[in-house]
Amino acid sequence: GAGVSQSPRYKVAKRGQDVALRCDPISGHVSLFWYQQALGQGPEFLTYFQNEAQLDKSGLPSDRFFAERPEGSVSTLKIQRTQQEDSAVYLCASSLLGQMNTEAFFGQGTRLTVV
Amino acid sequence: GENVEQHPSTLSVQEGDSAVIKCTYSDSASNYFPWYKQELGKRPQLIIDIRSNVGEKKDQRIAVTLNKTAKHFSLHITETQPEDSAVYFCAASIGNNNDMRFGAGTRLTVKP
Repeated sequence: GAGVSQSPRYKVAKRGQDVALRCDPISGHVSLFWYQQALGQGPEFLTYFQNEAQLDKSGLPSDRFFAERPEGSVSTLKIQRTQQEDSAVYLCASSLLGQMNTEAFFGQGTRLTVV
Repeated sequence: GENVEQHPSTLSVQEGDSAVIKCTYSDSASNYFPWYKQELGKRPQLIIDIRSNVGEKKDQRIAVTLNKTAKHFSLHITETQPEDSAVYFCAASIGNNNDMRFGAGTRLTVKP
């Protein structure tokens, strides 16, 4: 595709429900990031992949959050037993990886509302 | 890990005036500093970036400066226009693993 694609765009979950958010990065992009963006705030780092390797998951707020990228392309962010504080926009970004760091391209995000 | 701080959180200027947004970072290994613009309900989009081997970069009305010694970098927008109104985020990318952290954002309002 032409850009980073995320689905669904909007998700309403009942508290306690599990959700899965999908990210299709730009083809050929090695790096993939997940961020959580609360209303009026900057993107908060969740986790980072290089190909299928999850190099940094220090931003995941609890063990209810899990991310994978099994084939080094599509990534899924899973949130188990959702809580109201999980309500936010979840942004995915991808970038090429070379000797010099390069621009990260963002998807439109998934707006998660936990009720 | 890297910590990026951004100031101010809100900024209001008159059309035609300049706007300056400042960021500091903590990890001296950071070597790439992009700035993103996010309009309401849209995804962040890159507007300018700078690498650690240069001190300043300019693109039309937008410029970014980097002080590696002090570990801070700034975004300068001249001759502001109402369409510049948005939230601006700075970021710092660490070393050669491309890990990236963002500032909390600055909401810029340009009054016509």
